[in-house]
Parts: sequence; structure tokens; C-alpha cells
Amino acid sequence: DAGVIQSPRHEVTEMGQEVTLRCKPISGHDYLFWYRQTMMRGLELLIYFNNNVPIDDSGMPEDRFSAKMPNASFSTLKIQPSEPRDSAVYFCASSFQGRNGYTFGSGTRLTVV
Amino acid sequence: RKEVEQDPGPFNVPEGATVAFNCTYSNSASQSFFWYRQDCRKEPKLLMSVYSSGNEDGRFTAQLNRASQYISLLIRDSKLSDSATYLCVVNKYSGYSTLTFGKGTMLLVSP
Repeated sequence: DAGVIQSPRHEVTEMGQEVTLRCKPISGHDYLFWYRQTMMRGLELLIYFNNNVPIDDSGMPEDRFSAKMPNASFSTLKIQPSEPRDSAVYFCASSFQGRNGYTFGSGTRLTVV
Repeated sequence: RKEVEQDPGPFNVPEGATVAFNCTYSNSASQSFFWYRQDCRKEPKLLMSVYSSGNEDGRFTAQLNRASQYISLLIRDSKLSDSATYLCVVNKYSGYSTLTFGKGTMLLVSP
């Protein structure tokens, strides 16, 4: 299995632009999570899906953030418009039945200038 | 009180040393506990689960004290390759749940 695949690995964009981050979970996993990591706040859960349905989006910081999971093998996290304070590493993770820990993707390092 | 608290370190130890990290959690309803390892500029990876009776995996030993809401990780005979950040992780429920991560404790093992 290739693991959780995220793209792009790095993204540099200008303030105000739209950013789309992509994630392909491990086949057969029914939970998908989006986390954001910064030095100040550590790893923060933004949103998670179970069987493609969003369960809890209370961690999404603002309406500028949105996430979708149109099928079991693909999810996107979109920021529109982006701001410098959105600069962080965004991780996608997947899990089977939400137990026994998660498998993380390599992350997308986002820089908004 | 933060949900999961860890000493950020860094812990600087020589090769071969024994080092221990502690972690406290605030939610007494937490049911599952883990230690993750994160190398610089990499993703977190599951190191080991933590069971009530304590468990060992080679040089690594994890302990849980539910009464004190406290988790520990002991690393014996430290290797240079153990240098990383160790994240204490807690989930809240026994069924559906999400993991809450501590900010991590940095370990630096020197020759």
C-alpha cells in the first residue's frame, strides 16, 4: 500500500489566492482527518470524515476553510482567500474504524506571502 | 488546562542513556493512548499504543496511570536514531473518536 498520499508537498501562494490541498487515504480506511501543525499550536484537528461524510468541522478556523470528500479515495481542503496566518503544515490522516492510531500523509507545507 | 500537556524539552542525552518522558491529560473519559514519533519535517508516525497494564516494545516502555491521568515513555539504551519529537496522544471515547495530540517532547541523542 502506498500509504496516505498528499499533494502538493509544498505550496507558496500570495495572500488572497485560493489554495487547494489534496489527499488520497489508504484504501479500505473509513476515517479521514485533516490536521494543521504550527510551532505555536502544535497539531490541531480541522475536520474529519467517516465514510465520506463530514462528522465534525468544529476545528475549521473560519469560513475561508472548506473540505470535501466526494468519494472514499479522495478529499480536498480548500482555503479561499488565503492569508499569511494560514501558513502551516497541513496533514491528512486516515484510519480504519478510528482505532489503533492514524496513518499520516507526508503533509503539505503551505506558505502564504 | 490543556487537553494534553508535555514538557517540550529538548532532552539532551548521550548514546546509551535511559530517558523518560511524561505526559498529562485532562479528560478523564479518555480511553486510548498512544505515543507517536515525529522526525524533523516529517509526518507523525505511530510508535506504540499505551495499555493500562503497561507495555514494552524492545527498548521502549509505556506506562499509563489513569488515577493521575498520566502517561510515560521510557527509552533505554538511547540511539542516535532516537532523536526526534515524541508526541503524547489521547483519544476521548472508546468508539468513534478523534485523537488529541500533545505538542511533543524533543529528544536529542548525542555521540
